[in-house]
Amino acid sequence: EAGVAQSPRYKIIEKRQSVAFWCNPISGHATLYWYQQILGQGPKLLIQFQNNGVVDDSQLPKDRFSAERLKGVDSTLKIQPAKLEDSAVYLCASSPRTDYGYTFGSGTRLTVV
Amino acid sequence: DQQVKQNSPSLSVQEGRISILNCDYTNSMFDYFLWYKKYPAEGPTFLISISSIKDKNEDGRFTVFLNKSAKHLSLHIVPSQPGDSAVYFCAAKESGNTGKLIFGQGTTLQVKP
Repeated sequence: EAGVAQSPRYKIIEKRQSVAFWCNPISGHATLYWYQQILGQGPKLLIQFQNNGVVDDSQLPKDRFSAERLKGVDSTLKIQPAKLEDSAVYLCASSPRTDYGYTFGSGTRLTVV
Repeated sequence: DQQVKQNSPSLSVQEGRISILNCDYTNSMFDYFLWYKKYPAEGPTFLISISSIKDKNEDGRFTVFLNKSAKHLSLHIVPSQPGDSAVYFCAAKESGNTGKLIFGQGTTLQVKP
């Protein structure tokens, strides 16, 4: 079974620029999560999708972050404009259903300078 | 408000000895707990979990203990191996929730040969 694919692996941008991350979950997994992990902290949920609908985006900074999951498969997370404090690893995870453990991708490390 | 806390940022043990990683939580609505292991430049991988109706779960060298009255759980690794060197995250899930996990800050385990 192929894992959760994320790209790019690394990204360096200047503050106020925009950036987008892509995630391809495990085939057939209905639930998709985006987590943000700041250095020295644990991952924090940004947004959760069930198929192509949003289940939880309560911790997503909606003034600058947006995410979509078209057709209930791939997902993109966008930041516009980026701030220095957005420097973090952005992790995508997927699971067959919400009461099941999930599989993380390798993440995208974002550095905002 | 840190609902899941791992108060030891790092732990160093000798190969063959026991590693004990600790985690405390504050939310009495948590009913499922998980441990994830993370190597550098990789996403977290699931290690072991425990339901709140149990006080112990064992899987090979890994055992998780849950003390609900103290809101405390611990992960025991016996015997520790150099390949166990990684960051370990404790995570918790609320009963009936959507699948969202609340993570601790992580503990870096170093197992010395």
